[in-house]
Amino acid sequence: GENVEQHPSTLSVQEGDSAVIKCTYSDSASNYFPWYKQELGKRPQLIIDIRSNVGEKKDQRIAVTLNKTAKHFSLHITETQPEDSAVYFCAASRRTGTASKLTFGTGTRLQVTL
Amino acid sequence: DAEITQSPRHKITETGRQVTLACHQTWNHNNMFWYRQDLGHGLRLIHYSYGVQDTNKGEVSDGYSVSRSNTEDLPLTLESAASSQTSVYFCASSVTGNTEAFFGQGTRLTVV
Repeated sequence: GENVEQHPSTLSVQEGDSAVIKCTYSDSASNYFPWYKQELGKRPQLIIDIRSNVGEKKDQRIAVTLNKTAKHFSLHITETQPEDSAVYFCAASRRTGTASKLTFGTGTRLQVTL
Repeated sequence: DAEITQSPRHKITETGRQVTLACHQTWNHNNMFWYRQDLGHGLRLIHYSYGVQDTNKGEVSDGYSVSRSNTEDLPLTLESAASSQTSVYFCASSVTGNTEAFFGQGTRLTVV
Protein backbone atom coordinates (compact mmCIF):
# COMPACT_ATOMS: atom_id res chain seq x y z
CA GLY A 1 0.00 0.00 0.00
CA GLU A 2 0.87 3.68 -0.08
CA ASN A 3 3.40 5.07 2.40
CA VAL A 4 3.76 8.81 2.99
CA GLU A 5 6.69 10.28 4.88
CA GLN A 6 6.63 13.86 6.14
CA HIS A 7 9.41 16.13 7.40
CA PRO A 8 10.12 17.92 9.62
CA SER A 9 7.99 16.81 12.56
CA THR A 10 8.30 20.25 14.16
CA LEU A 11 9.11 23.61 12.63
CA SER A 12 9.53 26.96 14.33
CA VAL A 13 9.70 30.16 12.29
CA GLN A 14 9.51 33.85 13.06
CA GLU A 15 6.50 35.80 11.93
CA GLY A 16 6.98 36.96 8.37
CA ASP A 17 9.40 34.18 7.44
CA SER A 18 8.60 31.34 5.08
CA ALA A 19 7.92 27.72 6.07
CA VAL A 20 8.42 24.61 3.95
CA ILE A 21 7.11 21.13 4.72
CA LYS A 22 8.13 18.18 2.58
CA CYS A 23 6.51 14.82 1.86
CA THR A 24 7.44 11.76 -0.15
CA TYR A 25 5.13 8.99 -1.32
CA SER A 26 5.74 5.44 -2.47
CA ASP A 27 2.90 4.56 -4.87
CA SER A 28 3.69 5.90 -8.34
CA ALA A 29 -0.02 5.56 -9.21
CA SER A 30 -1.04 8.16 -6.61
CA ASN A 31 -2.54 11.17 -8.34
CA TYR A 32 -4.07 13.40 -5.67
CA PHE A 33 -2.13 15.22 -2.94
CA PRO A 34 -4.05 17.32 -0.41
CA TRP A 35 -2.76 19.23 2.59
CA TYR A 36 -4.77 19.54 5.79
CA LYS A 37 -4.38 21.99 8.66
CA GLN A 38 -5.39 21.03 12.18
CA GLU A 39 -5.58 23.69 14.85
CA LEU A 40 -5.34 22.64 18.48
CA GLY A 41 -8.41 20.67 19.52
CA LYS A 42 -10.05 21.03 16.12
CA ARG A 43 -10.72 18.79 13.16
CA PRO A 44 -8.36 18.63 10.13
CA GLN A 45 -9.42 20.92 7.30
CA LEU A 46 -8.28 21.03 3.69
CA ILE A 47 -6.16 24.07 2.83
CA ILE A 48 -4.88 23.19 -0.64
CA ASP A 49 -4.60 20.21 -2.95
CA ILE A 50 -2.82 19.33 -6.17
CA ARG A 51 -3.41 16.70 -8.80
CA SER A 52 -0.74 14.81 -10.70
CA ASN A 53 -1.26 16.68 -13.95
CA VAL A 54 -0.12 19.94 -12.32
CA GLY A 55 3.34 20.85 -11.03
CA GLU A 56 2.47 23.81 -8.83
CA LYS A 57 -0.59 25.46 -7.33
CA LYS A 58 -0.90 28.69 -5.37
CA ASP A 59 -3.58 30.17 -3.16
CA GLN A 60 -2.58 33.51 -1.66
CA ARG A 61 0.23 32.80 0.83
CA ILE A 62 0.29 29.05 0.39
CA ALA A 63 1.60 26.99 -2.50
CA VAL A 64 2.18 23.34 -3.20
CA THR A 65 4.70 21.84 -5.61
CA LEU A 66 4.74 18.31 -6.96
CA ASN A 67 7.62 16.33 -8.48
CA LYS A 68 6.15 13.12 -9.85
CA THR A 69 9.49 11.74 -10.98
CA ALA A 70 10.98 12.01 -7.51
CA LYS A 71 7.64 11.24 -5.84
CA HIS A 72 7.71 14.18 -3.51
CA PHE A 73 5.57 17.23 -2.88
CA SER A 74 5.96 20.26 -0.65
CA LEU A 75 3.89 22.92 1.08
CA HIS A 76 5.20 26.46 1.10
CA ILE A 77 3.78 29.15 3.37
CA THR A 78 5.08 32.68 2.85
CA GLU A 79 4.81 35.68 5.19
CA THR A 80 3.83 33.44 8.08
CA GLN A 81 1.43 34.76 10.69
CA PRO A 82 0.63 33.56 14.24
CA GLU A 83 -2.65 32.07 12.99
CA ASP A 84 -0.62 29.73 10.76
CA SER A 85 0.49 27.90 13.93
CA ALA A 86 -1.05 24.42 13.68
CA VAL A 87 -0.30 20.84 12.70
CA TYR A 88 -0.12 20.27 8.95
CA PHE A 89 -0.70 16.89 7.32
CA CYS A 90 0.12 15.87 3.78
CA ALA A 91 -1.71 12.99 2.14
CA ALA A 92 -1.76 10.97 -1.05
CA SER A 93 -4.35 8.88 -2.84
CA ARG A 94 -5.11 7.31 -6.18
CA ARG A 95 -8.54 7.20 -7.66
CA THR A 96 -10.22 4.07 -8.98
CA GLY A 97 -13.64 4.99 -10.38
CA THR A 98 -15.39 6.89 -7.59
CA ALA A 99 -13.21 5.37 -4.89
CA SER A 100 -10.04 6.60 -3.25
CA LYS A 101 -8.63 6.64 0.27
CA LEU A 102 -6.17 9.06 1.74
CA THR A 103 -2.89 7.96 3.31
CA PHE A 104 -1.56 10.65 5.61
CA GLY A 105 1.90 11.66 6.68
CA THR A 106 2.71 11.87 10.38
CA GLY A 107 2.23 15.63 10.57
CA THR A 108 4.33 18.77 11.10
CA ARG A 109 3.75 21.03 14.06
CA LEU A 110 4.38 24.59 12.87
CA GLN A 111 4.97 27.28 15.47
CA VAL A 112 5.07 30.90 14.31
CA THR A 113 6.75 33.10 16.89
CA LEU A 114 6.40 36.86 17.22
CA ASP B 1 -26.41 23.12 6.68
CA ALA B 2 -25.06 19.74 5.66
CA GLU B 3 -22.46 18.43 8.05
CA ILE B 4 -20.72 15.43 9.56
CA THR B 5 -21.14 14.77 13.26
CA GLN B 6 -19.62 12.31 15.68
CA SER B 7 -20.91 11.13 19.03
CA PRO B 8 -19.99 10.98 21.77
CA ARG B 9 -17.26 13.66 21.84
CA HIS B 10 -15.62 12.07 24.86
CA LYS B 11 -15.89 8.59 26.31
CA ILE B 12 -14.20 6.62 29.05
CA THR B 13 -14.67 2.88 29.03
CA GLU B 14 -13.20 -0.17 30.71
CA THR B 15 -10.97 -2.77 29.16
CA GLY B 16 -12.96 -5.56 27.54
CA ARG B 17 -16.17 -3.60 26.99
CA GLN B 18 -17.74 -3.17 23.58
CA VAL B 19 -17.91 0.43 22.44
CA THR B 20 -19.60 2.00 19.43
CA LEU B 21 -18.72 5.43 18.07
CA ALA B 22 -21.28 7.07 15.83
CA CYS B 23 -20.68 9.04 12.63
CA HIS B 24 -23.48 10.72 10.70
CA GLN B 25 -23.23 12.86 7.57
CA THR B 26 -25.96 14.74 5.77
CA TRP B 27 -24.13 15.41 2.49
CA ASN B 28 -25.18 12.12 0.89
CA HIS B 29 -21.50 11.29 0.38
CA ASN B 30 -20.71 7.80 -0.86
CA ASN B 31 -17.28 7.56 0.75
CA MET B 32 -16.85 7.40 4.52
CA PHE B 33 -13.73 6.75 6.58
CA TRP B 34 -12.60 6.19 10.14
CA TYR B 35 -9.15 7.35 11.27
CA ARG B 36 -7.38 7.29 14.60
CA GLN B 37 -4.95 10.03 15.57
CA ASP B 38 -2.02 9.32 17.85
CA LEU B 39 1.03 11.44 18.58
CA GLY B 40 3.83 10.54 16.23
CA HIS B 41 1.58 8.49 13.95
CA GLY B 42 -0.59 11.09 12.30
CA LEU B 43 -3.94 9.90 10.98
CA ARG B 44 -4.16 6.18 10.37
CA LEU B 45 -7.01 4.56 8.45
CA ILE B 46 -9.06 2.01 10.39
CA HIS B 47 -11.96 1.13 8.06
CA TYR B 48 -13.65 2.72 5.08
CA SER B 49 -16.75 2.37 2.93
CA TYR B 50 -17.50 3.38 -0.64
CA GLY B 51 -21.24 2.87 -0.38
CA VAL B 52 -24.10 1.03 1.31
CA GLN B 53 -23.16 -2.53 2.27
CA ASP B 54 -19.53 -1.89 1.30
CA THR B 55 -16.82 -1.99 3.99
CA ASN B 56 -13.04 -2.35 3.75
CA LYS B 57 -10.17 -2.76 6.19
CA GLY B 58 -7.59 -0.05 6.58
CA GLU B 59 -4.04 -0.28 7.90
CA VAL B 60 -5.01 -0.59 11.60
CA SER B 61 -8.29 -2.55 11.51
CA ASP B 62 -7.58 -5.24 14.12
CA GLY B 63 -10.09 -5.01 16.99
CA TYR B 64 -12.47 -2.73 15.07
CA SER B 65 -15.49 -3.28 12.85
CA VAL B 66 -17.89 -1.11 10.84
CA SER B 67 -21.18 -1.56 9.05
CA ARG B 68 -22.86 0.58 6.37
CA SER B 69 -26.61 0.02 6.27
CA ASN B 70 -27.42 3.46 4.83
CA THR B 71 -25.63 6.34 3.15
CA GLU B 72 -25.58 8.64 6.18
CA ASP B 73 -24.03 6.49 8.91
CA LEU B 74 -20.82 4.53 9.50
CA PRO B 75 -20.63 3.40 13.15
CA LEU B 76 -17.29 2.14 14.43
CA THR B 77 -17.35 -0.71 16.97
CA LEU B 78 -14.53 -1.73 19.26
CA GLU B 79 -15.39 -5.32 19.97
CA SER B 80 -13.38 -5.63 23.20
CA ALA B 81 -11.73 -2.35 24.13
CA ALA B 82 -8.01 -2.40 24.91
CA SER B 83 -5.77 0.29 26.42
CA SER B 84 -3.93 0.47 23.08
CA GLN B 85 -7.15 1.80 21.57
CA THR B 86 -7.04 4.95 23.67
CA SER B 87 -6.93 7.60 20.97
CA VAL B 88 -8.76 10.38 19.18
CA TYR B 89 -11.02 9.01 16.47
CA PHE B 90 -12.05 10.98 13.40
CA CYS B 91 -14.74 10.14 10.92
CA ALA B 92 -14.57 11.66 7.44
CA SER B 93 -16.58 11.63 4.23
CA SER B 94 -16.08 12.61 0.61
CA VAL B 95 -18.46 12.79 -2.33
CA THR B 96 -16.26 10.73 -4.63
CA GLY B 97 -12.65 9.76 -5.22
CA ASN B 98 -9.83 12.32 -5.00
CA THR B 99 -12.02 15.09 -3.63
CA GLU B 100 -11.98 16.94 -0.33
CA ALA B 101 -12.56 14.79 2.72
CA PHE B 102 -14.63 16.50 5.43
CA PHE B 103 -13.87 15.50 8.99
CA GLY B 104 -16.11 15.22 12.02
CA GLN B 105 -15.21 16.93 15.30
CA GLY B 106 -13.51 13.84 16.67
CA THR B 107 -14.15 11.49 19.61
CA ARG B 108 -11.64 11.21 22.41
CA LEU B 109 -11.77 7.65 23.71
CA THR B 110 -10.00 6.56 26.88
CA VAL B 111 -9.81 2.88 27.77
CA VAL B 112 -8.96 2.26 31.43
